[in-house]
Amino acid sequence: QVQLVESGGGVVQPGRSLRLSCAASGFTFSSYGMHWVRQAPGKGLEWVAVIWYDGSNKYYADSVKGRFTISRDNSKNTLYLQMNSLRAEDTAVYYCARDQWFGEFNNPYYWGQGTLVTVSS
Amino acid sequence: EIVLTQSPATLSLSPGERATLSCRASQGVSSYLAWYQQKPGQAPRLLIYDASNRATGIPARFSGSGPGTDFTLTISSLEPEDFAVYYCQQRSNWLLTFGGGTKVEIK
Repeated sequence: QVQLVESGGGVVQPGRSLRLSCAASGFTFSSYGMHWVRQAPGKGLEWVAVIWYDGSNKYYADSVKGRFTISRDNSKNTLYLQMNSLRAEDTAVYYCARDQWFGEFNNPYYWGQGTLVTVSS
Repeated sequence: EIVLTQSPATLSLSPGERATLSCRASQGVSSYLAWYQQKPGQAPRLLIYDASNRATGIPARFSGSGPGTDFTLTISSLEPEDFAVYYCQQRSNWLLTFGGGTKVEIK
């Protein structure tokens, strides 16, 4: 079955960097677009970024554009989120999610359990 | 950026009652509107995609309507496991946005 396992979260000081990983299994990773979605404590969902199945296209929410970079290694079945210049408002649980259908950009369907990032001095 | 506004923020109902949740988009999103359910401590679950299509395994008591700018999620008869937070989400111009959520709580 489809499994997505995030890692790399933790406590980081404002202005520092952190890289999240998402290990995928149970499906052909290289055939699906992948998303990062975050949720601040007690708040709603906020989409962060998407990457095409082959890595050819990447799109970001305005709130993270220029600071975060989504990438993937299809040989390792792993999705990444490089987060630079972190701010207190980036504190959230970060979920990776697989597209519902293979090929083009569509809805997040399978989700991991999330990893908590806390930005605090 | 397309903004999604959900109403009401909270819906207090009893099991067996009908729930009607609203999602309004700041501009037309065609049928590219989805609904998710989230329970405490869990990841979201996709219920409805493309405004009115139930995702795999979703019970028939969940239905969605659209398209355009005004969308509705209806739960025909609430089961105990349906009390949760519901989010709408749109995808257009290669970007996604979520609404602020509606909490369906037990009255």
